[in-house]
Amino acid sequence: DTGVSQDPRHKITKRGQNVTFRCDPISEHNRLYWYRQTLGQGPEFLTYFQNEAQLEKSRLLSDRFSAERPKGSFSTLEIQRTEQGDSAMYLCASSPVGGGVTEAFFGQGTRLTVV
Amino acid sequence: AQTVTQSQPEMSVQEAETVTLSCTYDTSENNYYLFWYKQPPSRQMILVIRQEAYKQQNATENRFSVNFQKAAKSFSLKISDSQLGDTAMYFCAFMKIGNQFYFGTGTSLTVIP
Repeated sequence: DTGVSQDPRHKITKRGQNVTFRCDPISEHNRLYWYRQTLGQGPEFLTYFQNEAQLEKSRLLSDRFSAERPKGSFSTLEIQRTEQGDSAMYLCASSPVGGGVTEAFFGQGTRLTVV
Repeated sequence: AQTVTQSQPEMSVQEAETVTLSCTYDTSENNYYLFWYKQPPSRQMILVIRQEAYKQQNATENRFSVNFQKAAKSFSLKISDSQLGDTAMYFCAFMKIGNQFYFGTGTSLTVIP
């Protein structure tokens, strides 16, 4: 399968713990996005990268959140000192750059439950 | 900031019938893209159809078509001959060229057999 891959698919953690999610985009896709989705809502933008450069961060991304894409390939999203309000589906998407319209290809998401 | 509004939280349609999902957006940009994404219960979002703002012709993909009204900032999705597999959440999305995607809150569509 050459789609966007996210790991893990599910994560249950205790409040106050740190968690890290990984996203492997489609090969050669320059853009990588992180979104958060709560039940019954649309995806909310968190941050995106073009290659290894983090171009934009949402105000939703508090100082407890950090994202990296060190070599311009896979990306990690870390949440420190998790809170119950962090419980959500975290979606990763990738897209190529150039050549016209660039749709986003989504992974299946990582569902985080903070207890 | 760009905003996308989907005013129909839930809709239902009889199998084989036609349904239209509404979407409006707000932007000061002249060049942008609009998308409809489908999210089945398995949760992976997939693209249904896209529209470039500079194109006047409405996009179509088999049973799916859009009604793009640029002046009114409206972008509705029409699903013809609805099938059970069309049951899903549908999200309207806006993208300024070279930027992030902005999503609406979604419409939950149920196709009734």
